[in-house]
Formats: sequence, C-alpha cells, structure tokens
Amino acid sequence: EVQLVESGGGLVQPGGSLRLSCVASGFTFSDYWMSWVRQAPGKGLEWVANVKYDGSEKHYVDSVKGRFTISRDNAQNSLYLQMNSLRAEDTALYYCARGTGTARHWGQGTLVTVPS
Amino acid sequence: DIQMTQSPSSLSASIGDRVTITCQASQDISNYLNWYQQKSGKAPKLLIYDASNLETGVPSRFSGSGSGTDFTFTISSLQPEDIATYYCQQYDNLPRTFGQGTKVEIK
Repeated sequence: EVQLVESGGGLVQPGGSLRLSCVASGFTFSDYWMSWVRQAPGKGLEWVANVKYDGSEKHYVDSVKGRFTISRDNAQNSLYLQMNSLRAEDTALYYCARGTGTARHWGQGTLVTVPS
Repeated sequence: DIQMTQSPSSLSASIGDRVTITCQASQDISNYLNWYQQKSGKAPKLLIYDASNLETGVPSRFSGSGSGTDFTFTISSLQPEDIATYYCQQYDNLPRTFGQGTKVEIK
C-alpha cells in the first residue's frame, strides 16, 4: 500500500524558516517524480514544486521561487521542502504527492502557519 | 501560466440528480486534465485522468469529457457520499494549475 507521511509543519514567524519532510513507503520511491501541493485555509489547491525521480530537475511556482527548495533522498525514501523567508501567505496545509502531472497518491498534509 | 476557470463555484442538487461541472483552460491543453474530489478534512482523490479516463476503483457514475480548452465533469446520479469539492487540474504546462473548485451539496 502506498503511504506518504508528511511532518515538520508548525507555527513560524514571518521571515523564518521551516523544513517539511515526507516519508514514502509501498512503492519504489526512486522511480517517481514527487510534488508538493498546498492549500490555504478554506481555499483551493495550489501546486508548489516538483522534483524528478533522480533529483536532477526541479520546478517551482513563481510565488515561492528563490525562497523554497525541493529535494529528495532516495536512499531514505524521503522528500523535503525547505521553506525560507516565510510570509503570511504561505500559511497552508502542505501535501506531499506522488507524480508530477497526475497525483494518484497524497499524504495527509502538514500545517504551516505564518502569522501576519 | 495556464488559468483554469471552473464553474459553478458551488451547486446544490438532489440525490439522484445529474450534476455537471465545467472547466475551461486559458489555452489548449489537449487532454492533459485531471479531476479530483476532496472531502472535508481529507486529501484530494484522483477520479478522472487524461480528461476522460476513470481511475481504478472509482464508481462509474463519475465521468469526464473534453479536449483542447473545454472540459466537463459529470456525476450521473448524485449520491450522499459525493458531497465534496471537485477540482480540475491541467498538467500540460508548468506550473501545474487547478481550477478554483466546485463545492457540491445536497439540496
């Protein structure tokens, strides 16, 4: 069974940093692109970033470019999102998802709160 | 970025009703479109991929159609368990973008 378990969320002050993690199981992690998708409270879904199966290619939505870094450790079956210079508008539930176009599997999300 | 315009933003229908949601892309995305269902407090669930293909295990009352810029998602006979918000999402270009969602409620 495919499982994605996120962690690392919390309350952080504007300008602060946070590192999210996602541990994968139930599939060969190194075979798949992985993505982060976020959802602000009461709002819709926003794709944030994705990374190729070998980590050689990464893409970001414009609003996080230069502030967020997606990475992965295939030996640890883990996906990461390093978030720097956090803003109030980054407040959201962050989901880890398998895939780059079609996300068949999602984690339960980890909540990041940046007060205004 | 490709803009995805979904309508309506919400709807109320009776059990057994046919429900239709539309999604329009700001440019041609061929059939690179997915539909997701998100129930309250849960992660999204893939229902339809490549515009019209039903994901394994998803009830056949759900269907999708369209290509290019105009897409339709249909629930042929609304069931109580279909109460959720539905999102379209394009994956023709980066960044991937979602429609704003359609909240489906029971009348």
